[in-house]
Amino acid sequence: GAVVSQHPSRVICKSGTSVKIECRSLDFQATTMFWYRQFPKQSLMLMATSNEGSKATYEQGVEKDKFLINHASLTLSTLTVTSAHPEDSSFYICSARQGPYGYTFGSGTRLTVV
Amino acid sequence: GENVEQHPSTLSVQEGDSAVIKCTYSDSASNYFPWYKQELGKRPQLIIDIRSNVGEKKDQRIAVTLNKTAKHFSLHITETQPEDSAVYFCAARGNQFYFGTGTSLTVIP
Repeated sequence: GAVVSQHPSRVICKSGTSVKIECRSLDFQATTMFWYRQFPKQSLMLMATSNEGSKATYEQGVEKDKFLINHASLTLSTLTVTSAHPEDSSFYICSARQGPYGYTFGSGTRLTVV
Repeated sequence: GENVEQHPSTLSVQEGDSAVIKCTYSDSASNYFPWYKQELGKRPQLIIDIRSNVGEKKDQRIAVTLNKTAKHFSLHITETQPEDSAVYFCAARGNQFYFGTGTSLTVIP
């Protein structure tokens, strides 16, 4: 079946630094990838939708300059959290779309900003 | 954008009983409604889905119903088992893909 690889699974960074999270579709081409953020015991909140070769569409309230999304190829999308602060600590998870009804999730990234 | 509401937020049932989780959505363009099971710290796992041209779908102990007119859909789990305990999320796909608020299901042995 479709596999999406997300790295890193866990990252701890210092406040003010930037962190890049990668999401790769291993055996299919994903024209669309979604990025979600999940706080403990809460739902997955859609942050942005990225389409290969074009700018990402951000949800209301999500700072595009803080959460940089690049979808440079059909198999790779990256989320960079710039100038991270403790409030950015969260579980980030990507989802890649394959066809009209195929959505595969990455394994998630636990970001802790200290 | 889409607004997906999910109820209840927590649900406890005795082993062997049925569990029902309900979701409503707002975007009439939504045409795909999956359900996910998520265990702590792990990715959501698709358990069943339904498309807008179907009213009901069943897979062993799990079934989903969809009422497009009323914009609501439900997950039914029969003969619940302790391993069904997890957080369940509904989702609705129109132009984007939004999740419901989640239901923490506990099956009591």
